[in-house]
Formats: sequence, C-alpha cells, structure tokens
Amino acid sequence: DAKTTQPPSMDCAEGRAANLPCNHSTISGNEYVYWYRQIHSQGPQYIIHGLKNNETNEMASLIITEDRKSSTLILPHATLRDTAVYYCIVTRSLHNTDKLIFGTGTRLQVFP
Amino acid sequence: GAGVSQSPRYKVAKRGQDVALRCDPISGHVSLFWYQQALGQGPEFLTYFQNEAQLDKSGLPSDRFFAERPEGSVSTLKIQRTQQEDSAVYLCASLHVNTEAFFGQGTRLTVV
Repeated sequence: DAKTTQPPSMDCAEGRAANLPCNHSTISGNEYVYWYRQIHSQGPQYIIHGLKNNETNEMASLIITEDRKSSTLILPHATLRDTAVYYCIVTRSLHNTDKLIFGTGTRLQVFP
Repeated sequence: GAGVSQSPRYKVAKRGQDVALRCDPISGHVSLFWYQQALGQGPEFLTYFQNEAQLDKSGLPSDRFFAERPEGSVSTLKIQRTQQEDSAVYLCASLHVNTEAFFGQGTRLTVV
C-alpha cells in the first residue's frame, strides 16, 4: 500500500474552513484515498473517500489533484467537536477488505 | 446497540498475566479486524477475519498474541504472559461488503 505524508498538527478557528493536506505520491491507479478521524478516547470514524473525482458528503469535501499524488480534506465550517486526529489512508478498496494502514495523522485543534 | 462493542473498556493486568479482550461486531458484518494503538501513534493492524476464518495474522507481534472468531461473530483477542510493551489501546473494526470500517471504542490495556 502507498504511504501518505501529513503535517503533524494544524490549528483552525471555529467557523472557518479547515483544509488538511495529504501527500500520496506513490499511489497506484487502483488505490483509493480514505480519510478517517479519531476523537480523543474513541475509535476512528470514517469521513469520506475518493478515487479520482472530488467528493462531498455531509461531513466534508475531498479534493484530489489531477495526478492523484495529493489530496485535501476540507471541513467547511469547523466546530470545536471537529478537534481530532485526521488520518489520510490509501488502500485498494475497503470492498476488498484490505487492512487500513494508518500513519500518525494530523492533529487538528479547533479553537474558539 | 448498533455499533461495534468492545469489552472491557479498561483493563489493568500484572506483568505475566493472561488477558482476553472481546469484540462484538455489527450484526451481519463479515469482516473483522483487530488493531493495536500505542500512545501517540496511529492504529496498527494485528489480524483479520472473514467470518470464522483468520485470513491474515501478519500483524500479531508475537506468539503470545492469539485471536479467534469461532462462530463468525464475536471475536476474542488473547494475550498470554503480558509484558509492559503490550500496554496499548486495542481496537476492533467490522465491515460488510460495500461499507466502510466501523470501529469500536477500544480496550485500553495497561500492564503494570
């Protein structure tokens, strides 16, 4: 599985957009980009995933560059409850039940 | 409940003691994963079941670690002769075809 690189930490003001970057320069053509987050003392929670096209759901938007070597997770209006560690993961597909390889993620701190 | 349930939530074991950690996956979920998360790190894969079959145990750190899922539902992770380096949060995740992985809240194991 391809490795990912994320900044260790970021801050964001409440109500502003949080843009979390991820580099995955060795991604293969059949690999998806998944994002999970882990709030303190809880298990990881799925946010969103994509292959080539940008994706949006009720939680976030995912922007993938045309060459697929990097992506950005966007939380459009961050709240204090979005404070968590965010993991960018590249995997062939959860439908194939591949194990998830987590890195150390980005610790997002949302402040009032 | 509808989510993945793990018990106990916290476990303190004396060095050398055997422990058993339980995971109740979401009903009907075929795939089940165990992960180990050390303090300040991302979760690391331990083992994977499809129904009752253990298809991948490459992440188990030693032969003191053993996992089972005899009826394809509840799973137990057993650690024999616990050591201090086994102290971590143990996470269980389940998923069905065409879904993302759902994680439990984890069991925090402290070996003293």
